[in-house]
Amino acid sequence: DADVTQTPRNRITKTGKRIMLECSQTKGHDRMYWYRQDPGLGLRLIYYSFDVKDINKGEISDGYSVSRQAQAKFSLSLESAIPNQTALYFCATSDFGDTGELFFGEGSRLTVL
Amino acid sequence: SQQGEEDPQALSIQEGENATMNCSYKTSINNLQWYRQNSGRGLVHLILIRSNEREKHSGRLRVTLDTSKKSSSLLITASRAADTASYFCATVPYTGTASKLTFGTGTRLQVTL
Repeated sequence: DADVTQTPRNRITKTGKRIMLECSQTKGHDRMYWYRQDPGLGLRLIYYSFDVKDINKGEISDGYSVSRQAQAKFSLSLESAIPNQTALYFCATSDFGDTGELFFGEGSRLTVL
Repeated sequence: SQQGEEDPQALSIQEGENATMNCSYKTSINNLQWYRQNSGRGLVHLILIRSNEREKHSGRLRVTLDTSKKSSSLLITASRAADTASYFCATVPYTGTASKLTFGTGTRLQVTL
């Protein structure tokens, strides 16, 4: 089984719908992240969490919310999806420390029509 | 905003040749990392170089860092078709934590037989 698991892997939805992307990890890491990838723009940080009670906004948090249900679970929600949120979303984890090495899930491809 | 910018955006070489890709960044860093992404998959960490290091090797990978020029290069020697992927540099700022790991836009490498 993968260390960082994302569900769903693919989702097509309509404008205005609420969407939740889920991430679970078995690496035992405290830190979890949600990134968004768009062609030509690299990866941009949406939200990050250093522990269950510590949630922080990233570079592009508008239109998104997150929930850290447990050390191993971190979900990303789009309250009212819009077409420009069509992207590939990645969950990642890292251990405590200064290196910042990230471990990624396989991604969730979201299409908003 | 993107901290790292890779060059070239795309690179096509034949199997057995060396592939060199470059990364430039804007602010002082704690470390710089290179990641690989196969098409549509999650990113995988390749190598990390700290700001006080100038060169690092891992298998067929060689990374250099020039902090005076704020640039890094990744060399893949004796490339193989399986090296076909996108390669991203990512930086952790000098005063930052893993939360501030920012990615460049990537270099797409195509290795042909």
